[in-house]
Amino acid sequence: AQSVSQHNHHVILSEAASLELGCNYSYGGTVNLFWYVQYPGQHLQLLLKYFSGDPLVKGIKGFEAEFIKSKFSFNLRKPSVQWSDTAEYFCAVNAPGGYQKVTFGTGTKLQVIP
Amino acid sequence: DSGVTQTPKHLITATGQRVTLRCSPRSGDLSVYWYQQSLDQGLQFLIQYYNGEERAKGNILERFSAQQFPDLHSELNLSSLELGDSALYFCASSPPSGNTIYFGEGSWLTVV
Repeated sequence: AQSVSQHNHHVILSEAASLELGCNYSYGGTVNLFWYVQYPGQHLQLLLKYFSGDPLVKGIKGFEAEFIKSKFSFNLRKPSVQWSDTAEYFCAVNAPGGYQKVTFGTGTKLQVIP
Repeated sequence: DSGVTQTPKHLITATGQRVTLRCSPRSGDLSVYWYQQSLDQGLQFLIQYYNGEERAKGNILERFSAQQFPDLHSELNLSSLELGDSALYFCASSPPSGNTIYFGEGSWLTVV
């Protein structure tokens, strides 16, 4: 069974600091990987996704993630965070095919201090 | 707007009651997922349907049930409600390729 681990539950950063949120998954086959963001009081929105090809994926709002197959990791990064990045971030994985179950990590709450 | 529609947006009901949450997936999406999000439990996967058939089951209580209809909309039925069932219930859908999951805005359920 697939699983996703997000080791940082709560991260506090000052504006302009760099961000890296860890995501490790457990699955033996080909995977699709996602990062979602949930701003306070809102629903989950797709930040970026990886299916194949270049392991460095660029998403919206300056976010990027790198897929490292050997480490089963898909860490999210942003060079300089803003107060508006305060949100909860979820990593998710599924196997290719629309009928496959999607597994989410427990989420990381990011608080950016002005 | 993700294209996934959930109704109602807000619902307040008493303990012991039964409610039905409705979800319309994006046009062309065959998979529907239900999630529960609460402060203490975080985002919990409840159940997934694909083209009318149950595909995966998560932490869904026996008091809860769901189904996906031929027109692909889905309903989540919550019965014998308890205070602890107060949460935000998300529906999500994905296309046949499964390459992206789109979330609805959620249904806020408050049990008093």
